[in-house]
Amino acid sequence: KNEVEQSPQNLTAQEGEFITINCSYSVGISALHWLQQHPGGGIVSLFMLSSGKKKHGRLIATINIQEKHSSLHITASHPRDSAVYICARGATNKLIFGTGTLLAVQP
Amino acid sequence: DAGITQSPRYKITETGRQVTLMCHQTWSHSYMFWYRQDLGHGLRLIYYSAAADITDKGEVPDGYVVSRSKTENFPLTLESATRSQTSVYFCAIGGTDYREQFFGPGTRLTVL
Repeated sequence: KNEVEQSPQNLTAQEGEFITINCSYSVGISALHWLQQHPGGGIVSLFMLSSGKKKHGRLIATINIQEKHSSLHITASHPRDSAVYICARGATNKLIFGTGTLLAVQP
Repeated sequence: DAGITQSPRYKITETGRQVTLMCHQTWSHSYMFWYRQDLGHGLRLIYYSAAADITDKGEVPDGYVVSRSKTENFPLTLESATRSQTSVYFCAIGGTDYREQFFGPGTRLTVL
């Protein structure tokens, strides 16, 4: 069992829909990271959070430390949001990654 | 971001050959990382380095060698490439605990 679990693994949405991707982890953390990878592209850090909520444009990340759970929300989704979204938990000297959620937003 | 570069971007080699993937940063981050990304496994840490001349194994180090004689460079060597090492390799900097991690563009390696 991976230390960091994401759900769903695959997600297809229509343009404009509200999207939620979930991440659960099994041990206490220092910080939780969300990253984005476009098809054939590089990996970009979206958020790093250790409590509460962060917002950047149409993206919102939340974390519940007690429940060991984080969510990434995308409001008013757009085809350019299609990508793999990866969560990772901070560990001493490194990050532990989930396997990612493949999101496809159809026009 | 141009702060971290990888070369080559694409490489095809044969089983048994030695291959070196280069990673270079311009930001002087202490920590540098090598990952491989395979379908179904996500990102897996191969080796990381906390500073020049300090390296440590990650999750999947077998078959790989690293060195870090200078802060800005972190080469990854496959001493005798195998087909199972066909993958996309990402170098990253920063990103421990409370720090963001920045990734290079990746190197797609095919071992025939």
